[in-house]
This record gives sequence, C-alpha cells and structure tokens, in this order.
Amino acid sequence: DAKTTQPPSMDCAEGRAANLPCNHSTISGNEYVYWYRQIHSQGPQYIIHGLKNNETNEMASLIITEDRKSSTLILPHATLRDTAVYYCIVRVAMGYGNKLVFGAGTILRVKS
Amino acid sequence: SAVISQKPSRDICQRGTSLTIQCQVDSQVTMMFWYRQQPGQSLTLIATANQGSEATYESGFVIDKFPISRPNLTFSTLTVSNMSPEDSSIYLCSVVAGANTGELFFGEGSRLTVL
Repeated sequence: DAKTTQPPSMDCAEGRAANLPCNHSTISGNEYVYWYRQIHSQGPQYIIHGLKNNETNEMASLIITEDRKSSTLILPHATLRDTAVYYCIVRVAMGYGNKLVFGAGTILRVKS
Repeated sequence: SAVISQKPSRDICQRGTSLTIQCQVDSQVTMMFWYRQQPGQSLTLIATANQGSEATYESGFVIDKFPISRPNLTFSTLTVSNMSPEDSSIYLCSVVAGANTGELFFGEGSRLTVL
C-alpha cells in the first residue's frame, strides 16, 4: 500500500513557484522520500529524492520537515510544461531491488 | 541512467487472446519491474522480474494471468493472457539503474486496448 497522502489537484500560475505537499507520517528511519512526475502519455520521470536534509537539483527543491512526517516539492518557476501528475513515494533507497509503490499523486495544472 | 525500449508501443487486441510485451534495457540490470496503469489511474506494481528465478508477484496478480520471462540481464517479457476489456491499460517496464540513488527508470509503456 502507498504510504503517502497528497492533495488530488493543484493549480499554479506560470512563472510562480509550485509547492506540492506530501504527508508520510508512518515513514521509517531508513526510508527515503522520492518524487516522480508523469506527463500525459509518457512514462514517469524521476525528479528528486531525500532522506532528511533538504535537497535541490536543476529541476526542483525538496523540503523535508524535521520529524520527516511530511515534505514539499518546490518547482521554483513553473512553466506550462510542468503540468503533470506528481507522485510522492517513500521507499528504502539502497540496492537494486527496492520497489516503488505509487499513490494517487497530485495533478498540477500550470496556467498562463 | 538507462534507456528502456518497449514493444509494442500500442496494440488493439481481441477478447480471449494473449499478448506479449517486450522490454529491452541498454545496460545490465538486476531487477526489472512491471507496472500497470489503468485509464485515469495511478501505477500499480504487477511483479518484480528476477534474472534466473521466478518473478515475484504483488497481491492481486498471478502468474497464470501475467507470465513473465527474464532470460538475461537486459531483457524481459510480460504476457497478458486471456485478455478481457478490463485489461485495457498501459503496461510499463522499469529498472533501477543506480544503486546509490535508487532512481527508477521507466519505458514509455505499451498501451493495450482489448475489444
């Protein structure tokens, strides 16, 4: 079963920051938070992941609360091409055999 | 990273028939994962394909309905057997391509429509 809770949908104005929340209150100490997104008719795309420190890459930033029970994915300057379903997933990262269980995700609509 | 190719990309099938989906990876990987995505839904894990051993199926999925082969470290097949319209879905192959990050790479999927 998915171990995360996300809002079903969100809207964001083009050029503004998109902040996507995720609750994972039952996360274990060795579980990482992963974010993927799926643009219509494409396979899911990795965005970012983290354990307990905040992370940033060329696509997004990941803010994890100190108790690790929730996190926020930030797209700093959303564009129309960022319209997609965003999935927050928790899993044990290390090794090749750790499966990802997807929840319902958040539909992000970026509007001009 | 990993580049994953799936065949067919889409197909229209008749009820009661079976279809085999192929997944080819451009590098050797230990495990491959097969997902199903029904229309308007999230991804559901079907099974984990292990090289040299039987696939591990998730609850609700059985080998008779979704037999999987994994003959080597770069290739796997998923067969959808005795199809019904409820099997109309996108089927996606995925692999973990980096042990240090656990990043999962996905193919573009195979869109099946069962009439």
